[in-house]
Amino acid sequence: DADVTQTPRNRITKTGKRIMLECSQTKGHDRMYWYRQDPGLGLRLIYYSFDVKDINKGEISDGYSVSRQAQAKFSLSLESAIPNQTALYFCATSDFGIPPAGTQYFGPGTRLTVL
Amino acid sequence: RKEVEQDPGPFNVPEGATVAFNCTYSNSASQSFFWYRQDCRKEPKLLMSVYSSGNEDGRFTAQLNRASQYISLLIRDSKLSDSATYLCVVNLSGGGADGLTFGKGTHLIIQP
Repeated sequence: DADVTQTPRNRITKTGKRIMLECSQTKGHDRMYWYRQDPGLGLRLIYYSFDVKDINKGEISDGYSVSRQAQAKFSLSLESAIPNQTALYFCATSDFGIPPAGTQYFGPGTRLTVL
Repeated sequence: RKEVEQDPGPFNVPEGATVAFNCTYSNSASQSFFWYRQDCRKEPKLLMSVYSSGNEDGRFTAQLNRASQYISLLIRDSKLSDSATYLCVVNLSGGGADGLTFGKGTHLIIQP
């Protein structure tokens, strides 16, 4: 079984709809992240969480919210989806205790299309 | 100047050849360096960390030049399966996400 899973893997929705992307991990890592990837722009950090009570905004948090329900679960919500949120979304985990610092483990991605 | 810069390519290389590409970073306080590999429409996966003394993993060699602020990746005896996008990743801080910066990737195509 995969260590980091994401659901759904693909989603097509309409402008204005609320969408939730879910991420679960079995690696036992404290740190979890949400990124989006767009062609030509690379990976950009949306939110990150160092533990259940610690959630931080990343580079592009506007229009998104997150919830860390447990150490193993980190959800990303789009309250009112818009077309420029069409992208490939990745969840990732890391463990500061495993050197070198910064190694991340990614889920398989969710391809989101907003019409 | 962008924080992490890579030549997007594509690099078209015949099978069996050696290929190398660099990545430059702007912040001299950067502490950790990595190469990730990403196949089309798949998640990035760690290829190798980059250590100050340089390191090798099979056909792959990574080097760090702190004075000139770049890291490099060398692939020897390239295989068709090496075709992918290679992401340069630099970590500014001791491990916090706010310090991890991804390059946009270099696209490598190995041709038969």
